[in-house]
Amino acid sequence: NAGVTQTPKFQVLKTGQSMTLQCAQDMNHNSMYWYRQDPGMGLRLIYYSASEGTTDKGEVPNGYNVSRLNKREFSLRLESAAPSQTSVYFCASSELRSYEQYFGPGTRLTVT
Amino acid sequence: KNEVEQSPQNLTAQEGEFITINCSYSVGISALHWLQQHPGGGIVSLFMLSSGKKKHGRLIATINIQEKHSSLHITASHPRDSAVYICAVLGGNYKLTFGKGTLLTVNP
Repeated sequence: NAGVTQTPKFQVLKTGQSMTLQCAQDMNHNSMYWYRQDPGMGLRLIYYSASEGTTDKGEVPNGYNVSRLNKREFSLRLESAAPSQTSVYFCASSELRSYEQYFGPGTRLTVT
Repeated sequence: KNEVEQSPQNLTAQEGEFITINCSYSVGISALHWLQQHPGGGIVSLFMLSSGKKKHGRLIATINIQEKHSSLHITASHPRDSAVYICAVLGGNYKLTFGKGTLLTVNP
């Protein structure tokens, strides 16, 4: 039982490049989330998926897109990376939106 | 928007000391989470509570809904407790708002 997994763990991009961050959970959770964590700030919600087939914007969605591929997988795409997107990205999941969230190990992204 | 304030921002203790980390929020919530983040980044959920008190091993979390305040206590602290402790509140829209975290260092 791996919980929440994320790939890659580390990534360096040049400004303008695109990439997709992958997230998968094996706990049969309905809800999944993408957060970013920046120094001196709390975690901030980028996008979430309350259930399979639905996605909604969070606090900081600009520059990102998401896909809830199936119940297990929720990906985050940066179409044209900018230095302001340098951050640590965490995926999380929960059985329902009001329940405890379980976090993945994070992806450290640097955009130069 | 709910404002979540944690205090202190940094805390250094000697092994064995009793530790308290505080969290205050500005708007009514349905639940509050305490999370732990070790160096290297992984985030682990410690507690989710909506009233009263919860205990897990040496960790105790309390919440006072009327005062919009929660505390996380660590008894008999140990160097392995060194981590960032994060408070997060679940609003009526089911979104979590996070505090900036408290960096705890426990020296042997």
